[in-house]
Amino acid sequence: DIQMTQSPSSLSASVGDRVTITCRASQSISSYLNWYQQKPGKAPELLISAASSLQSGVPSRFSGSGSGTDFTLTISSLQPEDFATYYCQESYSTPITFGQGTRLEIK
Amino acid sequence: EVQLVESGGGLVQPGGSLRLSCEVSGFTFSNYWMSWVRQAPGKGLEWVANIKQDGSEKYYVDSVKGRFTISRDNAKNSLYLQMNSLRADDTAIYYCARAMTTVTTWAYWGQGTLVTVSS
Repeated sequence: DIQMTQSPSSLSASVGDRVTITCRASQSISSYLNWYQQKPGKAPELLISAASSLQSGVPSRFSGSGSGTDFTLTISSLQPEDFATYYCQESYSTPITFGQGTRLEIK
Repeated sequence: EVQLVESGGGLVQPGGSLRLSCEVSGFTFSNYWMSWVRQAPGKGLEWVANIKQDGSEKYYVDSVKGRFTISRDNAKNSLYLQMNSLRADDTAIYYCARAMTTVTTWAYWGQGTLVTVSS
């Protein structure tokens, strides 16, 4: 099974900050990497697929990069609505696995 | 508008069974792989199972193999998860999710249904 490790597990930041979350796969997954945002009591929402493809309707302050084993999600200027938990997920092979999540909190 | 609506969750005793349903609308159900993903209270996301468009291929996470069965009825636009021999660690919100062109990239999710396994 592929292990997905996110860092940090939690992060405190302020509105307007630039934030980067990293995700590392235990083996190469090419660009088969997705990012989701989840707010309390809600279902996850897909932000980025295939490592860097921004989904329709997602603000351009979100961006993704990486390939192979190392990936990043960057939020260029945090907005109040961005405080949530973020998950990476590999779509390379079964069983599909997620990172443990990064909780982004207001400083 | 794409909609996925889960139902069937509830409280069940250890060893019991439950059948979850997910009724969809707003897209051609028979064109897409579908999946179940769960989330234990306060925990992260875990993929559970997925099923091909015609039901001919099914895949499961090891922890549910032999206990859970994913199925679909394309005529009824519905996805199902039959859960048997339930354990306490199956307690979670269960989401149904629709694939994009990549089988396990999920752009659409239901609101989830809570399954609680407890005596």
